Amino acid sequence: SQTIHQWPATLVQPVGSPLSLECTVEGTSNPNLYWYRQAAGRGLQLLFYSVGIGQISSEVPQNLSASRPQDRQFILSSKKLLLSDSGFYLCAWSGLGAFFGQGTRLTVV
Amino acid sequence: LAKTTQPISMDSYEGQEVNITCSHNNIATNDYITWYQQFPSQGPRFIIQGYKTKVTNEVASLFIPADRKSSTLSLPRVSLSDTAVYYCLVGDGSGAGSYQLTFGKGTKLSVIP
Repeated sequence: SQTIHQWPATLVQPVGSPLSLECTVEGTSNPNLYWYRQAAGRGLQLLFYSVGIGQISSEVPQNLSASRPQDRQFILSSKKLLLSDSGFYLCAWSGLGAFFGQGTRLTVV
Repeated sequence: LAKTTQPISMDSYEGQEVNITCSHNNIATNDYITWYQQFPSQGPRFIIQGYKTKVTNEVASLFIPADRKSSTLSLPRVSLSDTAVYYCLVGDGSGAGSYQLTFGKGTKLSVIP
């Protein structure tokens, strides 16, 4: 069966520091991969999606970037974090519908 | 992109049946309809998925009319643990249709003792 791993679960980073969140999927090949962000009490905002290695589509211009160096690996990065980057970040893969990791709670201080 | 519209919130007493309706007027031929449940600080959890008519599993039923422009998630005999946000998603992430899986604002269901 397919599983998705996302880490770390929580992260506290100072303003201006870099960020790297990693997501890996097992049990499927060539999945479509997604990064979402959820602010407190808000809905899911699609940030990036990828349909293959090296193929990244950005939904919202911002301080973040994404990369897909391997078929089942999706990375969310930032060179310099802003306070407004705080939130709950979720990685997902899709077949028919999306299947989510457990999320990373990022607090920028 | 198929956009969805749901009620922002609903309240229900324990033991009642709850129906949450989602509107998706511009659903595409290849799009499936999927419902998710999300608890605070957790990723959304798949509940049920359908294309047309009625689908039932051990936790919910999904009703989709012939025109597919709406769908209704039915939760039988809710309990306090069903208090969560419920999202309707319309899309086909498998690639036959749009790759973009964009969620609506969700419905916050509060179950009252």
